[in-house]
Amino acid sequence: NAGVTQTPKFRVLKTGQSMTLLCAQDMNHEYMYWYRQDPGMGLRLIHYSVGEGTTAKGEVPDGYNVSRLKKQNFLLGLESAAPSQTSVYFCASSQLAGETQYFGPGTRLLVL
Amino acid sequence: AQSVTQLDSHVSVSEGTPVLLRCNYSSSYSPSLFWYVQHPNKGLQLLLKYTSAATLVKGINGFEAEFKKSETSFHLTKPSAHMSDAAEYFCVVSPTNDYKLSFGAGTTVTVRA
Repeated sequence: NAGVTQTPKFRVLKTGQSMTLLCAQDMNHEYMYWYRQDPGMGLRLIHYSVGEGTTAKGEVPDGYNVSRLKKQNFLLGLESAAPSQTSVYFCASSQLAGETQYFGPGTRLLVL
Repeated sequence: AQSVTQLDSHVSVSEGTPVLLRCNYSSSYSPSLFWYVQHPNKGLQLLLKYTSAATLVKGINGFEAEFKKSETSFHLTKPSAHMSDAAEYFCVVSPTNDYKLSFGAGTTVTVRA
């Protein structure tokens, strides 16, 4: 039981490049989330999903898109990376709203 | 609306001495409260969770937290710090049965030998 996994662990992009971050969970959870973590700001919710085929905007969605084609996977896309998107990205999942969220190990992204 | 204030950005303790991490919250609803720990270059791990049962909540690794509604506080304590407790700690609030988590800015704990 791997829990929540994220791919890749680290990536360097140039401004304007695109990339996709992959999150996978093996707990059969309904809810999945993408957060970004910046120094001194805790974690902020980018997008979330309440089930397969659904997505919704969180607190800081601009510049990101997401898809949840399969229940176990939640993809975060950056269409045109900007230096302001340099951050550590965490994926999480929970069975229901209000239940404990389980976090992946994070993806460190540097945009030059 | 909900928010979390962690009163100390950095706490330094000696090994074997008590640890206190302070957290105040505001919430329009009856909240669920969490403490998560993040070790360097790792993901977040749940330490403990309060959901309107007992006000004193015991977590993993000897940590516990007390919910005080009158003070809107949820402070985290451990009687005796260990070197492995060096990490960043996040206090988190959520309306009960809601997906939305509001994170504090974090408290970095260093443990001196």
